[in-house]
Amino acid sequence: TQTVSQSDAHVTVFEGDSVELRCNYSYGGSIYLSWYIQHHGRGLQFLLKYYSGNPVVQGVNGFKAEFSKSDSSFHLRKASVHWSDSAVYFCAVSAPSGSWQLIFGSGTQLTVMP
Amino acid sequence: DPKIIQKPKYLVAVTGSEKILICEQYLGHNAMYWYRQSAKKPLEFMFSYSYQKLMDNQTASSRFQPQSSKKNHLDLQITALKPDDSATYFCASSQDRDWGGSEQYFGPGTRLTVL
Repeated sequence: TQTVSQSDAHVTVFEGDSVELRCNYSYGGSIYLSWYIQHHGRGLQFLLKYYSGNPVVQGVNGFKAEFSKSDSSFHLRKASVHWSDSAVYFCAVSAPSGSWQLIFGSGTQLTVMP
Repeated sequence: DPKIIQKPKYLVAVTGSEKILICEQYLGHNAMYWYRQSAKKPLEFMFSYSYQKLMDNQTASSRFQPQSSKKNHLDLQITALKPDDSATYFCASSQDRDWGGSEQYFGPGTRLTVL
C-alpha cells in the first residue's frame, strides 16, 4: 500500500523568502513521485515529477524537488517565493504498473505575505 | 483554449436524482481519470481509463459509472444521488503509461451539491 504524508497543513512565508514543503512516502517498490499545485477554485496543475536519475528535479516557475531514498522523502523547494505562489501544494505517488492512479497527500496550503 | 473541458462548472441536484458530468480532453492523451475532492477526503482517485477501457475502479459504489463514447471523452454518470456525494469532481488525462501516469493534466472541475 502506498501512502503519502505532508506533515505541514499550512506554511506562511513572506515574499522573497525561500520555502520548503515536505513530503514523505511509504512504498516498497519503484514509484513515481510528483508535485501539483492548486490555486483556489481551480484544477490541479502539474509542477514536476521524478522516477530515477538525478535526485534533484527542476519544475516550472523556479520550483525544484529533491528525492531521498534513505529518508523516503520528496521535498519541494523554491528559493524566492512570489505572492502568486500562494496555493495548495499536493505531493503524489504512482506506481509503474497498474492503473496509474495518483495517490495524493493531504496538501499544504502555502500563503505568501507581501 | 482550454485543453480539458468539464461541464457543467456547477451542478445542484436533489437527493435520489441522476446526473452526468461531462469531460472532454483535447491533449491527444490516451488515458483519462476521475478524481473527487471534498472536505472529508482531499483528493480521491475514482477511475482510470486507457483507450476507452477501464483500467481501475476504486469507487465502492456502483452508483458511479464512467462512460467513454470517444477516446477523448470520459463522462461520469451518478445515480441515486446522496448528500455525501457533494464534492468537486475532477477529470484528468495523461499521455501514456511510461511515467506511471505521474504527469496528469486536470480539468477545472465540476462542483456538485446534493440537497
